[in-house]
Amino acid sequence: AQSVTQLGSHVSVSEGALVLLRCNYSSSVPPYLFWYVQYPNQGLQLLLKYTTGATLVKGINGFEAEFKKSETSFHLTKPSAHMSDAAEYFCAVSRATQGGKLIFGQGTELSVKP
Amino acid sequence: EPEVTQTPSHQVTQMGQEVILRCVPISNHLYFYWYRQILGQKVEFLVSFYNNEISEKSEIFDDQFSVERPDGSNFTLKIRSTKLEDSAMYFCASSRRLETASEQFFGPGTRLTVL
Repeated sequence: AQSVTQLGSHVSVSEGALVLLRCNYSSSVPPYLFWYVQYPNQGLQLLLKYTTGATLVKGINGFEAEFKKSETSFHLTKPSAHMSDAAEYFCAVSRATQGGKLIFGQGTELSVKP
Repeated sequence: EPEVTQTPSHQVTQMGQEVILRCVPISNHLYFYWYRQILGQKVEFLVSFYNNEISEKSEIFDDQFSVERPDGSNFTLKIRSTKLEDSAMYFCASSRRLETASEQFFGPGTRLTVL
C-alpha cells in the first residue's frame, strides 16, 4: 500500500527565508509524486509533479522539489519566501499502474512572517 | 481559465437526512473524482468515475454513497443517510486523461456539517 508522511503540520518562516516542506512516501512500485497548494477558500492547485526522468522538478511560483529514491523523499523548497506563499501544502502519491487516485499526506500549513 | 465549481459551499444537515453535493467539472474533462477531508485529517480518496461508471472506490465509499452524472455538466455525490462522521470537506476533481500523471483540477470544496 502507498502512504505519504508530511513532517510538520505547521511551518513558519520569515519573508525572504528558505522554505522547506518535508514529504516522505512509501510505495512498493515506482511512484508518481505531486505537491498541491490550497489557499483559503480555494481548491487544491497543482504546484509540481514528478513522474519519470529528471529528479529535480520545478513548479509554479518558484517552488521546486527533488525526488530522492534512496531516501523515499520528495521535499518542497523555495529559496525565498513571499507573504503570498502562506497556504496549506499537500504532498500526494499515485501509482503508475493504477488510475488517477491520489493518496495525500496530512498537509503542512505554511505561515510567512513579515 | 476554466475551473471546477462546487455547490453549495457549506451544507448543514440533520443526521439521517440525504444530501447531494454538486460539482461542475471542466467541460472537456473525462475523469471525475470525489475526495473528502475530515477536520484535522488527510484528504482521502472516495471514488473515481469515467464513462458513466465508477472506476475505483475506496473502503469509505459504502452503500450510503452514490455518484451520478445526470447530464453533460454536473457530477453529484449523494449521501443517503448522513452520519455525524460524514462531517467533512468534500472536494470534487476532474482530469482530461486517466494517466496518473495527468493533473487533477480541484474544486473549492463543500463543507458538510452533520448535526
